[in-house]
Amino acid sequence: AQSVTQPDIHITVSEGASLELRCNYSYGATPYLFWYVQSPGQGLQLLLKYFSGDTLVQGIKGFEAEFKRSQSSFNLRKPSVHWSDAAEYFCAVGFSSNTGKLIFGQGTTLQVKP
Amino acid sequence: EPEVTQTPSHQVTQMGQEVILRCVPISNHLYFYWYRQILGQKVEFLVSFYNNEISEKSEIFDDQFSVERPDGSNFTLKIRSTKLEDSAMYFCASSEKTVMFFGEGSRLTVL
Repeated sequence: AQSVTQPDIHITVSEGASLELRCNYSYGATPYLFWYVQSPGQGLQLLLKYFSGDTLVQGIKGFEAEFKRSQSSFNLRKPSVHWSDAAEYFCAVGFSSNTGKLIFGQGTTLQVKP
Repeated sequence: EPEVTQTPSHQVTQMGQEVILRCVPISNHLYFYWYRQILGQKVEFLVSFYNNEISEKSEIFDDQFSVERPDGSNFTLKIRSTKLEDSAMYFCASSEKTVMFFGEGSRLTVL
């Protein structure tokens, strides 16, 4: 069955430190890959997406993600975290271009220490 | 920047009551969705809608749920007889093709 796993439920990093949030998926072919961020009381904002081509994709707010086919992973990174990055991050995978349905991971809550 | 808007932002209802959640998708988008997020759990797909009909629905989307695009701009989710377990944040989303944009959500509390 198709699935998305975010192994880290909660991560705490110091402001200015680097960040990597992990995402693994289970699917036979290459899916569409997304990262969304949800700040408290807010909706889901798209950070970045991968459909094909260059496996390193740049997003908003200084985030990037790398697709690794061999590891079925799409990890999110940021070189230097800001306090405003504290939020919940969701990896999502689209398996069908017909219906557009996304399957979400459990989410990773990021806490930023001053 | 165009956005998906949802109303109400929060609704409290009694078990067994009907609830309608409303969404205004981005104007040139053709695909519409509802997702829900029970507190502390994953965001779950409920239904997708294209060309005035449901294109896919999940197991959660049973006969208590229905969707409608009544006037060419709104997209609604109706829950006919709410249960306690329907308490969740409901997100509407729309897409032109593959990239989905979400609204800020409607929090439904069933008492």
